[in-house]
Amino acid sequence: AQSVTQLDSHVSVSEGTPVLLRCNYSSSYSPSLFWYVQHPNKGLQLLLKYTSAATLVKGINGFEAEFKKSETSFHLTKPSAHMSDAAEYFCVVSSTSGGSYIPTFGRGTSLIVHP
Amino acid sequence: EAQVTQNPRYLITVTGKKLTVTCSQNMNHEYMSWYRQDPGLGLRQIYYSMNVEVTDKGDVPEGYKVSRKEKRNFPLILESPSPNQTSLYFCASSYRGTITYEQYFGPGTRLTVT
Repeated sequence: AQSVTQLDSHVSVSEGTPVLLRCNYSSSYSPSLFWYVQHPNKGLQLLLKYTSAATLVKGINGFEAEFKKSETSFHLTKPSAHMSDAAEYFCVVSSTSGGSYIPTFGRGTSLIVHP
Repeated sequence: EAQVTQNPRYLITVTGKKLTVTCSQNMNHEYMSWYRQDPGLGLRQIYYSMNVEVTDKGDVPEGYKVSRKEKRNFPLILESPSPNQTSLYFCASSYRGTITYEQYFGPGTRLTVT
């Protein structure tokens, strides 16, 4: 079994300040982890992914995330928020079981960026 | 342009009237899936397909059907829609159904069942 918990349903920051979106996971297998972003009225777009290579992963638009196995976390960060970062963010854990590929989505974190 | 397309984008229907939401990808991906997105619940997988003629249930398959006769298409069928199926639906595809590959999402179909 696997699960993913996004610890904050909403995060509010000022433009130019750091962003931290928190994600904890549980998995019986060695998982891959993803962050996706969803802008209003749009589909989801991949920000970055971890697939058992480097634990610090860099993504698009200045985002990065660090896989910490001991803490079962995969938090998303950005040094300086931009107004265009306002969106919904989803953390996803993926594993395989019995030949089936099973992605599990978190409930999402809404990032609000104030001018 | 590599993309996943869905049609229609918006649909309002009545209880019990069969409908189909189409999904097509032009990336020669093996894996395709359907999700529904509801406020506060994130995305939940309805059905997925590892390849042509291979489909399986996700987390919330009740009330839905799918088929995968061609690699590029993966339609979602609601035989008798009910109001609790009012939701935002996303189709997604991936190069293969393994944990290494990310999914590419369509723009979504907003369905309202009255």
